[in-house]
Amino acid sequence: EVQLVQSGAEVKKPGESLKISCKGSGYSFTSYWIGWVRQMPGKGLEWMGIIYPGDSDTRYSPSFQGQVTISADKSISTAYLQWSSLKASDTAMYYCARGNSSSSPSDWGQGTLVTVSS
Amino acid sequence: DIQMTQSPSSLSASVGDRVTITCRASQGIRNDLGWYQQKPGKAPKRLIYAASSLQSGVPSRFSGSGSGTEFTLTISSLQPEDFATYYCLQHNSYPLTFGPGTKVDIK
Repeated sequence: EVQLVQSGAEVKKPGESLKISCKGSGYSFTSYWIGWVRQMPGKGLEWMGIIYPGDSDTRYSPSFQGQVTISADKSISTAYLQWSSLKASDTAMYYCARGNSSSSPSDWGQGTLVTVSS
Repeated sequence: DIQMTQSPSSLSASVGDRVTITCRASQGIRNDLGWYQQKPGKAPKRLIYAASSLQSGVPSRFSGSGSGTEFTLTISSLQPEDFATYYCLQHNSYPLTFGPGTKVDIK
């Protein structure tokens, strides 16, 4: 069974750093990309970017380029989303999803709620 | 970037109704489109892939059609568990982009 298991909810202060994770299992981790999606409170889904764990090729949506860093450690089948300096506007639910070059993402993590508040 | 629009943004319908949601792309995307259902507090769930292929395990009352720039998701007979928000997602080119969503609620 394919599973994407995300790390738990986080509460942070503005200016702090954060790294959240998404661990894949039940499939060949390097054969699919992992994407990250933001959902701000009461709003729609926004695609942030993707990483190909096999070679760490990473593509960012323009709105998120320079704002976050996506990485992966294929030795432990885990992808990451990180911030160096959080803002209150980063408060959102973040989902990871698995896909390939020929199809829309089929499997999703359960989401990680990030709350940034002073 | 490819822009995705959806209509309507929301609709009220009754159990048993036929519901149609439209998604339009700002440029041709072949059939590189998926439809997703999201319920409050839950991760999105893929219903349709490749514009018209039904995801395994999804009821046959859901169907998708279209190619190029215009796509539709149809629910042939709305059931109580179908009240949710629906999103289209294009994966033809980077960055991937979602439509703004269509909220389906109870009339």
